Amino acid sequence: SQQGEEDPQALSIQEGENATMNCSYKTSINNLQWYRQNSGRGLVHLILIRSNEREKHSGRLRVTLDTSKKSSSLLITASRAADTASYFCARDNYGQNFVFGPGTRLSVLP
Amino acid sequence: EADIYQTPRYLVIGTGKKITLECSQTMGHDKMYWYQQDPGMELHLIHYSYGVNSTEKGDLSSESTVSRIRTEHFPLTLESARPSHTSQYLCASSAGGLTEAFFGQGTRLTVV
Repeated sequence: SQQGEEDPQALSIQEGENATMNCSYKTSINNLQWYRQNSGRGLVHLILIRSNEREKHSGRLRVTLDTSKKSSSLLITASRAADTASYFCARDNYGQNFVFGPGTRLSVLP
Repeated sequence: EADIYQTPRYLVIGTGKKITLECSQTMGHDKMYWYQQDPGMELHLIHYSYGVNSTEKGDLSSESTVSRIRTEHFPLTLESARPSHTSQYLCASSAGGLTEAFFGQGTRLTVV
């Protein structure tokens, strides 16, 4: 994809396990964001990390950013069945709009 | 909770019909966006706006048009719907290009 890649495309884990999703992008960024989408719904913003930040936490979420490798990761710790959703990374497009990756579909089994 | 609303949530229409998908936000955001998303797939930007009387085409070629006459309102119109337009359409807004985007619940359009 010209917009970047996310991997894995799909991830299935047991409740209580940690889930890690990765995102790569191709251009320079001001920030990178992660969103969650429940089936058939709109996206909900989870966390924003700026290009001069390396790590950010929010509750059970931890996001890292490596601008030298043009990559980011989202870690969800102690996953719950309610975390089942698709997760998208989005980079700002020179401040004009947002470019989304293809997403990772996470299934957390009870 | 995001104050951005899309109507209708679901729409089934016949080929050749003209339709308008509505999107309104009460946050006073200057920037608004329309994305198209097939089930389980990535989002593609089809239109965006910097503010009133500003509209731009996105990366994905689209036969739709948009208007921005008021800050809070960003409707998307299809003059003649075709089965290839069947998809989910997501509207979003942001205070700027470097801040988070707020999404509506989406309109799932089926053209038969």
